[in-house]
Amino acid sequence: DTGVSQDPRHKITKRGQNVTFRCDPISEHNRLYWYRQTLGQGPEFLTYFQNEAQLEKSRLLSDRFSAERPKGSFSTLEIQRTEQGDSAMYLCASSLGRNNSPLHFGNGTRLTVT
Amino acid sequence: QKEVEQDPGPLSVPEGAIVSLNCTYSNSAFQYFMWYRQYSRKGPELLMYTYSSGNKEDGRFTAQVDKSSKYISLFIRDSQPSDSATYLCAMIAAAGGTSYGKLTFGQGTILTVHP
Repeated sequence: DTGVSQDPRHKITKRGQNVTFRCDPISEHNRLYWYRQTLGQGPEFLTYFQNEAQLEKSRLLSDRFSAERPKGSFSTLEIQRTEQGDSAMYLCASSLGRNNSPLHFGNGTRLTVT
Repeated sequence: QKEVEQDPGPLSVPEGAIVSLNCTYSNSAFQYFMWYRQYSRKGPELLMYTYSSGNKEDGRFTAQVDKSSKYISLFIRDSQPSDSATYLCAMIAAAGGTSYGKLTFGQGTILTVHP
C-alpha cells in the first residue's frame, strides 16, 4: 500500500497525559498536512509542512500541540497535557508541492481522552 | 459564518436514484473544488477535482461548479448501496487569497442508499 499511513489507529489516554501520533506520507509528496475532525463535522486544518518547513499553523493549534517533520519525510503530532476536548480523529494528508494539488488522506488516528 | 456551507442531511435514497449533493461558499478566492467520500472510521477519499465552472463527469459521478453563484454540486447516477458514506466538499483558494494552499471543507452530507 503506497498511500498515507498513520499510526496508531486508535489511542485512548487519560486526561493530562501526552500523546504522539505518526504520519508517513506518499513518498513523492513534499507537502504534509494535519487536520482534526470531530463527529459530524468536516476536517479542520491544523498545520502543514513543505518538506521540513512548517509553513502555517491554525489558531486551533494551541501551545499544547506541536508538529514536526524533521527530515521532510514522516511527521509527528504531539499533544501535551491532553484534555477531553482533544478527543477527535486526527487526519494526516499529503500532496505534491503545488498549491492547487489535491490532498490524499490517511485513515486517521482516533484519540479518546478519558 | 462558515466559509463553506453544506447540508449535513442525512439523505436516504433507494438504489438506482439520482443523488444531488450541494455546497455554497462565501470566499470568492476559492478556485479549486473537490469532492471527497468518507466511509465510517476511514479517511476522506478523493472523488472529483475541478477548476473551471461547468461540468466534469467521471463514470456515475458528475461535478458541477458555478463560480458566479458560489455553488458546487455532485450528482451520483444509478446510486448503489456501496455509495453510502459521508460526502465532503472541499476547496482551495487561488494565489493571494485567504485559505491559499490548504483545503477548507464543508460539514459533510451523510448519504444512505438502501436496496
